[in-house]
Amino acid sequence: KQEVTQIPAALSVPEGENLVLNCSFTDSAIYNLQWFRQDPGKGLTSLLLIQSSQREQTSGRLNASLDKSSGRSTLYIAASQPGDSATYLCAVSKGHYKLSFGAGTTVTVRA
Amino acid sequence: DVKVTQSSRYLVKRTGEKVFLECVQDMDHENMFWYRQDPGLGLRLIYFSYDVKMKEKGDIPEGYSVSREKKERFSLILESASTNQTSMYLCASSYPRGGNTEAFFGQGTRLTVV
Repeated sequence: KQEVTQIPAALSVPEGENLVLNCSFTDSAIYNLQWFRQDPGKGLTSLLLIQSSQREQTSGRLNASLDKSSGRSTLYIAASQPGDSATYLCAVSKGHYKLSFGAGTTVTVRA
Repeated sequence: DVKVTQSSRYLVKRTGEKVFLECVQDMDHENMFWYRQDPGLGLRLIYFSYDVKMKEKGDIPEGYSVSREKKERFSLILESASTNQTSMYLCASSYPRGGNTEAFFGQGTRLTVV
């Protein structure tokens, strides 16, 4: 069974600092890895999708890397802003359908 | 943009009631999913559907059923609601792209069973 772990569980940084969020998974035979953002009481917003053949993916201030062999992904958020405060979840897909989620990292960016 | 819409943001139902949660997507996606999210337990898959009238059980299907009569609509049914089904329910859809899928979620339904 795929286990997905996100460390740390919570993170508080001053505005402007770069954020580094970690995701690890136990089964490296994945199709893709997806990063999501969730605001309190809301649904999930897709941030980045990295396919198994890719090493990284970028969108604006966000950059995600994938090392399948070691079972790790890292989400970097440059120059953090208070609006980046949210919970960030990673999820891996082994089959065509099922996602296995981590528990998330809750980020607070202090103004 | 992909849009996944859940029919209610908040619902309050009584124990024993039959509850319907509706989800509609507008991007012609084959796959649709229902998850529940609870503090400390994360997201858990209840059911998913990969085509009209097709469904498969997820990790926690007990006490739930689903219906997919049209491609764009996926319904979650609580046959007899119980207090332990109080939770945040999230619907998602995805379209396979060369074997890799990107999932899109709705805004969530916060269900309280009293």
